[in-house]
Amino acid sequence: AQTVTQSQPEMSVQEAETVTLSCTYDTSESDYYLFWYKQPPSRQMILVIRQEAYKQQNATENRFSVNFQKAAKSFSLKISDSQLGDAAMYFCAYRSAGYGGSQGNLIFGKGTKLSVKP
Amino acid sequence: NAGVMQNPRHLVRRRGQEARLRCSPMKGHSHVYWYRQLPEEGLKFMVYLQKENIIDESGMPKERFSAEFPKEGPSILRIQQVVRGDSAAYFCASSSTAGFDTEAFFGQGTRLTVV
Repeated sequence: AQTVTQSQPEMSVQEAETVTLSCTYDTSESDYYLFWYKQPPSRQMILVIRQEAYKQQNATENRFSVNFQKAAKSFSLKISDSQLGDAAMYFCAYRSAGYGGSQGNLIFGKGTKLSVKP
Repeated sequence: NAGVMQNPRHLVRRRGQEARLRCSPMKGHSHVYWYRQLPEEGLKFMVYLQKENIIDESGMPKERFSAEFPKEGPSILRIQQVVRGDSAAYFCASSSTAGFDTEAFFGQGTRLTVV
């Protein structure tokens, strides 16, 4: 079974600085997707960024980028120019590539609580 | 296009009562996933449904929990004879297909408190 581990329960960053959140995962599959979700106090789960395992290029979305190391099974999230609105829980998630059944389900880590200091 | 709608947002039940959580997927979406989030934890998969069919319920507790997604109307997650350990946030997500390239959109969740 696949597992996702986030080893940093809490992180803190100064506004305008850069922070990196760690995520490792375990799988025997070769094709899969990785995601970072943001959960602010409103509890809404917001997709921040996703990475296809077959792509070597790291995904980027504005101030958010990932460092995907497939051999090491590592998938870290870098937030540049941190803003107060970035404060939230961040969840790393894994999804098998495939159709139907349990392959469509997301497997989440326990999350990292990010605080942004003004 | 409205997002995934869950109601109620908050639900309080006494031990032994039934809880019904509703999820209306995004328009055009026929795949629904339910997740449970315990305090200080990530979301855990419970069940995956398509219209009128349960595709995967491997994450659902064997007793007291059931889910349906009828041809008409929202998906319902039903918890009978609730216990304190059922207190959690329950999230629904929907997608247009089950393919690997399909994003699932989440609702805002229902926070169930059992007193």
